[in-house]
Amino acid sequence: DTGVSQDPRHKITKRGQNVTFRCDPISEHNRLYWYRQTLGQGPEFLTYFQNEAQLEKSRLLSDRFSAERPKGSFSTLEIQRTEQGDSAMYLCASSWGGTNTGELFFGEGSRLTVL
Amino acid sequence: KQEVTQIPAALSVPEGENLVLNCSFTDSAIYNLQWFRQDPGKGLTSLLLIQSSQREQTSGRLNASLDKSSGRSTLYIAASQPGDSATYLCAVRPSGAGGTSYGKLTFGQGTILTVHP
Repeated sequence: DTGVSQDPRHKITKRGQNVTFRCDPISEHNRLYWYRQTLGQGPEFLTYFQNEAQLEKSRLLSDRFSAERPKGSFSTLEIQRTEQGDSAMYLCASSWGGTNTGELFFGEGSRLTVL
Repeated sequence: KQEVTQIPAALSVPEGENLVLNCSFTDSAIYNLQWFRQDPGKGLTSLLLIQSSQREQTSGRLNASLDKSSGRSTLYIAASQPGDSATYLCAVRPSGAGGTSYGKLTFGQGTILTVHP
């Protein structure tokens, strides 16, 4: 069990550029979540997949944000035309959606800095 | 809308002390409550998870309790060590219609714990 892995860990970009983050969940987990965390705050829910289906999206996820999980395994989160307000830590988590405790396991996060 | 509050926002204690972190939530319709630890610049590490039907969970020096009816949870850390210094976050998972559960956790803002040698 290698845990949830995220790439890249850090990304510095100029305003207006597009960025993409990748998340590889724990292999047997069919649920995958994206959260965003700004400095001094708790994480906020962005979106949630069960297998390849995106089942819920937060209002925080503007039209510039898109998330995919094409084969029900890894997921990508793309931010188009980045703004300085997008600077945050983007956290991915996964869980097993069967009869279980519902425990979420988080990755190390991808920190985005928009200049 | 679920709101989660953690008190205190920051706590500084000498090594060896027992301490309690508090978490309160406004909507008692929860599936479970999870406590996490976060080191600076890192992701979240799950510490304890309490199902809505449970009263407490223990792992090593950590004990978490849940009083769902009053919307409260506490994380008790015994014999604190400098390595316990981190931000501690609690999060609640909603109980959806028909008993299903969705993955949208609501987090508190965290308690920053510093344990001095």
